[in-house]
Amino acid sequence: NAGVMQNPRHLVRRRGQEARLRCSPVKGHSHVYWYRQLPEEGLKFMVYLQKENIIDESGMPKERFSAEFPKEGPSILRIQQVVRGDSAAYFCASSQLRGLVSNEQFFGPGTRLTVL
Amino acid sequence: SQQGEEDPQALSIQEGENATMNCSYKTSINNLQWYRQNSGRGLVHLILIRSNEREKHSGRLRVTLDTSKKSSSLLITASRAADTASYFCATDGDIQGAQKLVFGQGTRLTINP
Repeated sequence: NAGVMQNPRHLVRRRGQEARLRCSPVKGHSHVYWYRQLPEEGLKFMVYLQKENIIDESGMPKERFSAEFPKEGPSILRIQQVVRGDSAAYFCASSQLRGLVSNEQFFGPGTRLTVL
Repeated sequence: SQQGEEDPQALSIQEGENATMNCSYKTSINNLQWYRQNSGRGLVHLILIRSNEREKHSGRLRVTLDTSKKSSSLLITASRAADTASYFCATDGDIQGAQKLVFGQGTRLTINP
């Protein structure tokens, strides 16, 4: 009964490099969400995806950040040309919506990105 | 604008006491959820309360929701050292398709043995 899986758990990058964060949702879940958490703060929504579609990317920075959730394989959050301000914990969540009655999202353990 | 905001930001109590945390939000909601996060770890879902519910219980947890005041409270009774964590409320919107959760800043709860 695997939950949401994220890898890597810790990622260190130098400024200017690319960071790729992977998320495998709960089996059977077709909705994926990415959130970012800065130290001592709450989570901030970034993007909501369904298979092969970006539904809501209102929380994504306009540049350097992209996300995908292909038909096969995990969801990927990609950060190009990382800067120190990108250092944060990135959490993925998934849900299996049953109508719009509830939206319980199951969270992964997060990827902690450190930019040197 | 900040949606969920928890109060207090930090709370320190003795083991066995009750802990109450509050959350306020600004817009209409479908549901409000409470999550726990241990230091450096992921989020654990505690309880979901729908907008047409006023109170919900789960073990030692009691959640209330007052939509007229746009506020919720989380009560942990008979606290234990293992309850030490940050607690977040999260809301989702009442607009069809608005599935993103909006989190508050969290309450950092410390239970002293």
